[in-house]
Amino acid sequence: DIVMTQSPDSLAVSLGETATINCKSSQSVLYSSNNKNYLAWYQQKPGRPPKLLIYWASTRASGVPDRFSGSGSGTDFTLTISSLQAEDVAVYYCQQYYTTGTFGQGTKVEIK
Amino acid sequence: EVQLVQSGAEVKKPGEPLKISCKGSGYSFTSYWIGWVRQMPGKGLEWMGIIYPGDSDTKYSPSFQGQVTISADKSISTAYLQWSSLKASDTAIYYCAFGELYFDYWGQGTLVTVSS
Repeated sequence: DIVMTQSPDSLAVSLGETATINCKSSQSVLYSSNNKNYLAWYQQKPGRPPKLLIYWASTRASGVPDRFSGSGSGTDFTLTISSLQAEDVAVYYCQQYYTTGTFGQGTKVEIK
Repeated sequence: EVQLVQSGAEVKKPGEPLKISCKGSGYSFTSYWIGWVRQMPGKGLEWMGIIYPGDSDTKYSPSFQGQVTISADKSISTAYLQWSSLKASDTAIYYCAFGELYFDYWGQGTLVTVSS
C-alpha cells in the first residue's frame, strides 16, 4: 500500500499570508502512460464532509478559489493557499488514487 | 442536483451486524466509482474501498479487506457498507463519496456507535 505523509501536522498563518502544505508518497503516483499524477487534495471543516480542492495534482475542482493551487510530481507534492482567508481554517488531506487509495494524516491550518 | 444521501445514525452492540446505505441522485450512478471513507472520533480520513456499480468491480484497502463488504444495487442507485460482526473500534463516521477515482462529491456521513 502507498503511504502518504504530510508535513507539517499543523501550521498557523497570518491572514493574507501564504500557507504551504507538503505531501510525500512512498512510491511514485505518476502514471507514465498518460503523464498524470494520481494525487488529490481535500479540505475538511469541523462537522462537515471533506471537499475536493485539487485533482491530478494541480487541477482545481469546480468553484474552488484560485488562491488554492497544487504542484509537484512523482512522490512530492504541495498545496499552497495564497492570501489565507478566515474561511480557510480547516484540515487538509492529500490522497493518492494510483493504487486503490490512501489519505495523508492531515494538516490543520489555523490563523496566527 | 448531484446528491449522495446516507442512512441515519446507528447505535449497535458489539457482535451485531450492520448495513448502511448511500443513495445517489442527479448523476449516472453506474458510470462512476463510489467509495467509503472512515473517520474515527477526532482522527483523519481512511480510505476503505470502492465499487464501480456498472459492473460491481470492487477494490478494498488491505486494512479493511475481510472486515467489511461493499456492494451496490444499481436498480435503486444505492451503495452499501456492511459488517457481519461489529467491534467497539468500528465506532466512527462513515462517508460515501463518488468520482472518477478521486472523490468529487460526498455524502453527509453516517455515525456508527458500537457500545455495550
